[in-house]
Amino acid sequence: GAVVSQHPSWVICKSGTSVKIECRSLDFQATTMFWYRQFPKQSLMLMATSNEGSKATYEQGVEKDKFLINHASLTLSTLTVTSAHPEDSSFYICSASFLGRGEKLFFGSGTQLSVL
Amino acid sequence: GENVEQHPSTLSVQEGDSAVIKCTYSDSASNYFPWYKQELGKRPQLIIDIRSNVGEKKDQRIAVTLNKTAKHFSLHITETQPEDSAVYFCAAEGNTDKLIFGTGTRLQVFP
Repeated sequence: GAVVSQHPSWVICKSGTSVKIECRSLDFQATTMFWYRQFPKQSLMLMATSNEGSKATYEQGVEKDKFLINHASLTLSTLTVTSAHPEDSSFYICSASFLGRGEKLFFGSGTQLSVL
Repeated sequence: GENVEQHPSTLSVQEGDSAVIKCTYSDSASNYFPWYKQELGKRPQLIIDIRSNVGEKKDQRIAVTLNKTAKHFSLHITETQPEDSAVYFCAAEGNTDKLIFGTGTRLQVFP
């Protein structure tokens, strides 16, 4: 199947710092990437939909100024958690589909963020 | 917006028995329903999916059924094995092209 690479897989940072997470589609062009957040033993909550070359669409309740999403190319999307706080600690996971929508979604390996 | 409910939250079965996980969705326009398996600390893996124009789909020990009228869909795993133990998520996609996930079911298969 399609491969989606996500880095870093694990990051620990101090409160107030910013963290950038990269998501790459390795063998297909992803016009749309989705960013999810998952707390322990909970479901995947959609944070935003990232379209190549345009601004991301954020879900209700997600702060767009805190979670900056950039999708500059067809194979790369980044999520930057700005001024991270302990409550931002979570598992962040990207996904992409060569169909440009939620069908046949392939996930990155996820990033476990721990903010001290 | 779309809301997906999933039951049960935990399910324990003996090896060789069947396991059934059920989901309901709220958006009647939803037309795509995948199931994902997620092992601890790993990415979700697509195991089977079904579109709204099909009532049932089977892939070896895994099957999915869809009842559009009732807005229900279910995952059936037969002859369960210990390696089937994981968290399973259902999801639904509607006209918004976004995939909304259920709350997950933790399946444990005891040898």
